[in-house]
Amino acid sequence: AQTVTQSQPEMSVQEAETVTLSCTYDTSESDYYLFWYKQPPSRQMILVIRQEAYKQQNATENRFSVNFQKAAKSFSLKISDSQLGDAAMYFCAYSFGPGNTGKLIFGQGTTLQVKP
Amino acid sequence: EAQVTQNPRYLITVTGKKLTVTCSQNMNHEYMSWYRQDPGLGLRQIYYSMNVEVTDKGDVPEGYKVSRKEKRNFPLILESPSPNQTSLYFCASRTVTASSYNEQFFGPGTRLTVL
Repeated sequence: AQTVTQSQPEMSVQEAETVTLSCTYDTSESDYYLFWYKQPPSRQMILVIRQEAYKQQNATENRFSVNFQKAAKSFSLKISDSQLGDAAMYFCAYSFGPGNTGKLIFGQGTTLQVKP
Repeated sequence: EAQVTQNPRYLITVTGKKLTVTCSQNMNHEYMSWYRQDPGLGLRQIYYSMNVEVTDKGDVPEGYKVSRKEKRNFPLILESPSPNQTSLYFCASRTVTASSYNEQFFGPGTRLTVL
């Protein structure tokens, strides 16, 4: 069965600094997708970034980037120039490739605190 | 505005009293799904639907029912709620294509407490 593990329940970073959130996953599939979702105190689930497994290049969205290591089954999120608005719970998630049920399998979440 | 709506946003109820949480999307999405979020467990899928009249179990379906009579609506039914169903519930939807995986759009969440 596919699993997603976030081993850091809580992280903190100083404003303007860089922080990396870790995520590992387990799968026997070759075609899949990985996501990072942000959940601020409003509880809304916001897609931050996604990565397609067949793409070698790491995804980047403004201050957010990933380090995707397919062989190691690792998918970390780097937040550069951290801002107070980045404080939230972050979830790593995995999904199979096209044509399947589209289920997202989530990790346990990492709460990020940003210190001014 | 494209969105997924859920009602109610907050609900406190008692054991055994049937309840329904509604979910509606205005994006003409084929796929809809329900998740529950619990501390230390992340989000887990309860049920999903690939289209009208097509539903299937997710990872934690026990104690829940769903229906998909219209494309836009996907209600979650708890016929006899129990305290272990106290949780934060999310409805999500996405379009389905053959060539790529599309973003799931989440509703605002429903905080359910069963006493």
